[in-house]
Amino acid sequence: EIVLSQSPGTLSLSPGEGATLSCRASQSVMSNYLAWYQQKPGQAPRLLIYAASSRATGIPDRFGGSGSVTDFTLTISRLEPEDFAVYYCQQYGSSPITFGQGTRLEIK
Amino acid sequence: QVQLVQSGTEVKKPGASVKVSCKTSGYTFTNYGFTWVRQAPGQGLEWMGWISPYNGNTNYAQKFQGRVTMTTDTSTSTAYLELRSLRSDDTALYYCARDWNKYGGSYYSDYWGQGTLVTVSS
Repeated sequence: EIVLSQSPGTLSLSPGEGATLSCRASQSVMSNYLAWYQQKPGQAPRLLIYAASSRATGIPDRFGGSGSVTDFTLTISRLEPEDFAVYYCQQYGSSPITFGQGTRLEIK
Repeated sequence: QVQLVQSGTEVKKPGASVKVSCKTSGYTFTNYGFTWVRQAPGQGLEWMGWISPYNGNTNYAQKFQGRVTMTTDTSTSTAYLELRSLRSDDTALYYCARDWNKYGGSYYSDYWGQGTLVTVSS
């Protein structure tokens, strides 16, 4: 089973700043099959990025994904108030599918 | 528009079974798979398994093997999750999600249901 470790656990930033979230896999993620989700309190997760760097439909271009093999990054430029949430990475290259433990992005 | 609407809150006793439904609309049911994910209170996301309405294939997380059954009904465009021998640590919000892999395994999910709270308590 691939273990995904996200860092930091909590990130405190101000609106307008940029954010960098990390997701490290315990072994290679096949074909860079890595997705990122955003989850706000009381809501279902929302797909942001798939295949490490492809934005899902309707996702603003301030969200960007990068990385390969075992190291992946979600970058959010110019944070908007609605971006403060919990972010999860997910690998779908190997079964079982696994999620990281999440990074909480909070307003400073 | 694509919608996944799940059944309502369930309260079960330990040892019982629960069946959660996920009714879809707005797209061709057999063109996508389904993933079920659960989230314990205050915790992260846990993948439970995947099913294809296209060919009936399933892929369950080993943790749930023998206790879980995922099915689909193409006549009503509805997916189902049944979990048996419930324990207190099965208390969670259960999500269905449309999965981009309809053939085998599981990919990423672009539309999610609203979640069904299952509480297991004596």
